[in-house]
Amino acid sequence: RKEVEQDPGPFNVPEGATVAFNCTYSNSASQSFFWYRQDCRKEPKLLMSVYSSGNEDGRFTAQLNRASQYISLLIRDSKLSDSATYLCVVNENTGFQKLVFGTGTRLLVSP
Amino acid sequence: DAGVIQSPRHEVTEMGQEVTLRCKPISGHNSLFWYRQTMMRGLELLIYFNNNVPIDDSGMPEDRFSAKMPNASFSTLKIQPSEPRDSAVYFCASSLALAGEDLEQYFGPGTRLTVT
Repeated sequence: RKEVEQDPGPFNVPEGATVAFNCTYSNSASQSFFWYRQDCRKEPKLLMSVYSSGNEDGRFTAQLNRASQYISLLIRDSKLSDSATYLCVVNENTGFQKLVFGTGTRLLVSP
Repeated sequence: DAGVIQSPRHEVTEMGQEVTLRCKPISGHNSLFWYRQTMMRGLELLIYFNNNVPIDDSGMPEDRFSAKMPNASFSTLKIQPSEPRDSAVYFCASSLALAGEDLEQYFGPGTRLTVT
């Protein structure tokens, strides 16, 4: 079983749509969680951290369910520029920031 | 700031050749990471340095891979001899690690390696 699992997609949505991505992780000792964004043939970049109480950054909302070991990302009012791969990332908290990446969910937003 | 710098950006080599990838982390960062990304396995951590010292190399696939960090501003990842299955994008990332705090890792643009 992969340590961090995501639906690879692609998710094809029209502009303005709301889309949600889910992710599950296997290491129950994990303490911190993130969503990274990776554009085609580019490096990953931090989109947002995920906090236990849930957090929002503009059109993006992240949720964490520790009991189910489940993380989600909701994007409202999708823009063409949101087209990218979204990586679910877990810090295994072994004394340093050891990030374990999911293989990513691809999002395509069309006009 | 220039960000994390990697070279070369693309490398095509023949099986059996030595490959050296280079990374310059962001000035002031004390942690450096080497990752490998493939379609099948996604992004995998190969090795992590803190204050130029290798802390975790459990992700290094085999003895053909080695990494060094001779000073705070330079690191290399070497593959000798290279094999076709080493073809991937290799990313270097750096961060400022403080006790009890997870700070963002900044990735370089990557080196796309093709071994024929």
